[in-house]
Amino acid sequence: GAVVSQHPSRVICKSGTSVKIECRSLDFQATTMFWYRQFPKKSLMLMATSNEGSKATYEQGVEKDKFLINHASLTLSTLTVTSAHPEDSSFYICSARDSGRQFSSYGYTFGSGTRLTVV
Amino acid sequence: EDQVTQSPEALRLQEGESSSLNCSYTVSGLRGLFWYRQDPGKGPEFLFTLYSAGEEKEKERLKATLTKKESFLHITAPKPEDSATYLCAVHLRENYGQNFVFGPGTRLSVLP
Repeated sequence: GAVVSQHPSRVICKSGTSVKIECRSLDFQATTMFWYRQFPKKSLMLMATSNEGSKATYEQGVEKDKFLINHASLTLSTLTVTSAHPEDSSFYICSARDSGRQFSSYGYTFGSGTRLTVV
Repeated sequence: EDQVTQSPEALRLQEGESSSLNCSYTVSGLRGLFWYRQDPGKGPEFLFTLYSAGEEKEKERLKATLTKKESFLHITAPKPEDSATYLCAVHLRENYGQNFVFGPGTRLSVLP
């Protein structure tokens, strides 16, 4: 079945440094991937839509210079949190759709998430 | 403004005690409603998709139903392993190809 791998699962970084999170579709190609942010006991908030070979589309209020998204291949999208600050600490999740499977039966597939802690 | 709410926010059940979770939505154009299960520190796991009012889907102890304004996730004789956060999400017609609007979730705890 469709598997989305996200790495790392946990990362702790110092304030002011940058952190890269990878999202890979393991057994399917994804021209579009999505990046979410989730605060404790809150729902997922869409940050941006990552498009292979083109610029990402960011949701209102999301700083594109802070959250850099690169979708260089059909199986890999990366989210880089630049100059991280403690308020960037959160759970980041990516998702993708396997266009080879019936959407109504499988929906979007989510990665396992990355817990970012900025100290 | 498109809005998705879920109730209750948290629910504690005894093993075997059936109940229902609610997802209410106010959206401009519904393409589909999705239910996901999320375990702590994990990404959401797909459960069901519902497309039209009156539709029902079942999977083991779970049954999802849809009306024009809300969806219910019925849990029959739950077990402790059903403990998780259950998220609903609406897929908007005019935003097809983009993504969902998620509800805040219901945290379900099933006690042995």
